[in-house]
This record gives sequence, structure tokens and C-alpha cells, in this order.
Amino acid sequence: RKEVEQDPGPFNVPEGATVAFNCTYSNSASQSFFWYRQDCRKEPKLLMSVYSSGNEDGRFTAQLNRASQYISLLIRDSKLSDSATYLCAVNPWTGGFKTIFGAGTRLFVKA
Amino acid sequence: DARVTQTPRDKVTEMGQEVTMRCQPILGHNTVFWYRQTMMQGLELLAYFRNRAPLDDSGMPKDRFSAEMPDATLATLKIQPSEPRDSAVYFCASGLSAGNTIYFGEGSWLTVV
Repeated sequence: RKEVEQDPGPFNVPEGATVAFNCTYSNSASQSFFWYRQDCRKEPKLLMSVYSSGNEDGRFTAQLNRASQYISLLIRDSKLSDSATYLCAVNPWTGGFKTIFGAGTRLFVKA
Repeated sequence: DARVTQTPRDKVTEMGQEVTMRCQPILGHNTVFWYRQTMMQGLELLAYFRNRAPLDDSGMPKDRFSAEMPDATLATLKIQPSEPRDSAVYFCASGLSAGNTIYFGEGSWLTVV
């Protein structure tokens, strides 16, 4: 089993739709969680950190469920420009600062 | 804007050749990562360093890959000899261990024929 797993998608949604991605992690001692966005042929870039109480940044909401060991990303009112791959990242806290990524979920937003 | 710099951006080489990829982390960052990304495997962690010391290279094929940090401004990833299955995008990333967020370079696109 991989340390961090995501549904690869792709998710095809119309503009204005709400879409949610989940990501599960295997190490219950994990401390830090993130969502990154990666555009085609570009490097991953931080979208948002995920805090224990959940957090929101505009149309994006991230949540953490420690009991079930998953994090989620909700995108409301999706835009064409949201089309990208969304990668979740986890610091499993195995004694060092090591960030493990999921394989990513492809999102296509269509007009 | 401070950024991670990687060279080369693109590399096509023949099987058996040595490939060296270089990375300049963001000034002041004490943690450097090497990742490999393919369609099949996604983004895999190959190795990472803190304060130039290698902390974990368990994700790296030891027989042909090596990673070093000769100084705080340079990290290298070497493949010798290269094989077609090494074709991938290799990303370097850096961060501050206290901050946890990591920043990626633009990647080195390697094709081994």
C-alpha cells in the first residue's frame, strides 16, 4: 500500500460545479498536510496547507480527518482555470522532514 | 522572487551515458529534495538532505543513482549508467524544516533512448 493515495480521476466537471477530492494516508503519526496544484508540464506549487480545524481560501476548502486518515479538498464554483492536477502531500513524521506526495488527481473544468 | 533553479531543463541521452542534474536551492533553505515524476508512478521521493547531510535515499536505485550536496548552494543527482526506464521529470525542491512548505524547481526533463 502506498503511503499517500489519491483517486487519479480524471474529474470532468462543468464551470460552476463543486468538486471534491480525497486523499488517504497510511501513517497515523503524520503531522503536516498540504494540497499542491500542478499545471501541465509545470512544477507543483503549494495551493494550501491543511489545518486540523479545516481551512478555507476563497473557493477552496481543505479538511483533515485524523480518525479516518484522510484529507479533502473542495472547490466551489469551479473555473476553467482550475483545470490542473491536484496533489496531496503528507509529512509522515518518521523522524525527519520528509514530504510524500500522492500521484495526483486530474481535474478538467469545461465551459 | 526566490526560486529553485535546476539544470538542464531538457536532456536527451543515449542508454549507458552518465547524466548529471544540478539544483540550486532557495538561499537559506536547509532541506533539499529530489523527486522523480512519471505517469505510472506519480511523484516519487528519491532522496533528501538537511543541512547538506543525506537523511533518506531509500527511494533511489543505489546501483546507478547517487545524490550529493557539495555545498549549501548546490545539489546534484547523477545517473550512471542511464537506462530508458530512467526517462522522467526530475524535480528538485527546497524548504525550511521549520516551515514544512517546499518549493519546486521547474524540473529536468530526461529522455534516455
